Amino acid sequence: GDSVTQMEGPVTLSEEAFLTINCTYTATGYPSLFWYVQYPGEGLQLLLKATKADDKGSNKGFEATYRKETTSFHLEKGSVQVSDSAVYFCAINAGGTSYGKLTFGQGTILTVHP
Amino acid sequence: DTGVSQNPRHKITKRGQNVTFRCDPISEHNRLYWYRQTLGQGPEFLTYFQNEAQLEKSRLLSDRFSAERPKGSFSTLEIQRTEQGDSAMYLCASSLAYGGSYEQYFGPGTRLTVT
Repeated sequence: GDSVTQMEGPVTLSEEAFLTINCTYTATGYPSLFWYVQYPGEGLQLLLKATKADDKGSNKGFEATYRKETTSFHLEKGSVQVSDSAVYFCAINAGGTSYGKLTFGQGTILTVHP
Repeated sequence: DTGVSQNPRHKITKRGQNVTFRCDPISEHNRLYWYRQTLGQGPEFLTYFQNEAQLEKSRLLSDRFSAERPKGSFSTLEIQRTEQGDSAMYLCASSLAYGGSYEQYFGPGTRLTVT
């Protein structure tokens, strides 16, 4: 079945450091790829998405590129802020028989210190 | 613009009791999803509706769980004879059914604690 594997956390960085959170997936179809973020005490918010190979999703300084050959969608940000502290979830929508549902990774906790 | 809303936000119940949660999707969205999230894990899919039709149910959705979306607007998720293992955050999401990405927008969740 479909699955998503995320880099284990927690990740602790100093402000302005470079961030990478790795995400790889297994899917039977041609999935759309997503990153969701969950800030403390809030619900899941869509951060960015990509729907086909080599697409780059970007939002709020975060980027991720759809790499079909390596089945990966790593999240990056050049300079993190304290306000980026949250839990980040990679997710796929594989279509086909799993049409409609999202399959999530286990989440990566990011803490950014001043 | 109102997002997805869920009620109640918190529910504490005793084992064996029945509970019902409500989800109101974004008004123009015709798809509605339920997920369950336990501590330290990502959300897991439970079921989804397109309009009033329930199109897919996860094996996680035991016979004690039932979901409805009677008029294709709000949805309810009922858990009968709750067990301690049902303690989790129950998330609702909605989306439009067009294009290829089917972006889902999530509500704040209902946190269930079974004592």
